[in-house]
Amino acid sequence: GENVEQHPSTLSVQEGDSAVIKCTYSDSASNYFPWYKQELGKRPQLIIDIRSNVGEKKDQRIAVTLNKTAKHFSLHITETQPEDSAVYFCAQGDSWGKLQFGAGTQVVVTP
Amino acid sequence: KAGVTQTPRYLIKTRGQQVTLSCSPISGHRSVSWYQQTPGQGLQFLFEYFSETQRNKGNFPGRFSGRQFSNSRSEMNVSTLELGDSALYLCASSPRDRGLGETQYFGPGTRLLVL
Repeated sequence: GENVEQHPSTLSVQEGDSAVIKCTYSDSASNYFPWYKQELGKRPQLIIDIRSNVGEKKDQRIAVTLNKTAKHFSLHITETQPEDSAVYFCAQGDSWGKLQFGAGTQVVVTP
Repeated sequence: KAGVTQTPRYLIKTRGQQVTLSCSPISGHRSVSWYQQTPGQGLQFLFEYFSETQRNKGNFPGRFSGRQFSNSRSEMNVSTLELGDSALYLCASSPRDRGLGETQYFGPGTRLLVL
């Protein structure tokens, strides 16, 4: 199959703490792993992505790691802020424009 | 550059009708993908078009179809609407200029309600 499993489904963190979301994929042909943030009533916004030839990528407070052998990748958000509250989706992509999304993680950052 | 645009933003239809949704990609982007988002099923891939050709298709019935024009604008059509087709329909565009997976940028979506 071509499923992406995403955990946890909900995540509550205190402001300033770190948040970690993990995804596992099954399609060996996947070579692209983006993360999207979707606020209520808005479109998914790309926050970071990683390609299969890279193991880790960081952008300010956000980082993604990829383990191709184990077929899992993770999103790390450090020093969380209330504006980080949203639903986060991981996805696996191939070279043909198809993204398979995880079920999403509702992140709530409490002040 | 202007972002991905979709029209209409909201639509109400009744069962059995058909609907056509439109997507204009970011200027210069040649690939348009369509997704259905529902609370129960999440984000599901419908199909992808590149240079007016459907390159990939998800697991949706034949009632769901699409096309792409020479200017890369895309339309999707749903015929014989069912209640379960109520969803947010998102399109995403990407440049498709490299061999590895491409970054996709989403439009605001069309929210379809079938009564």
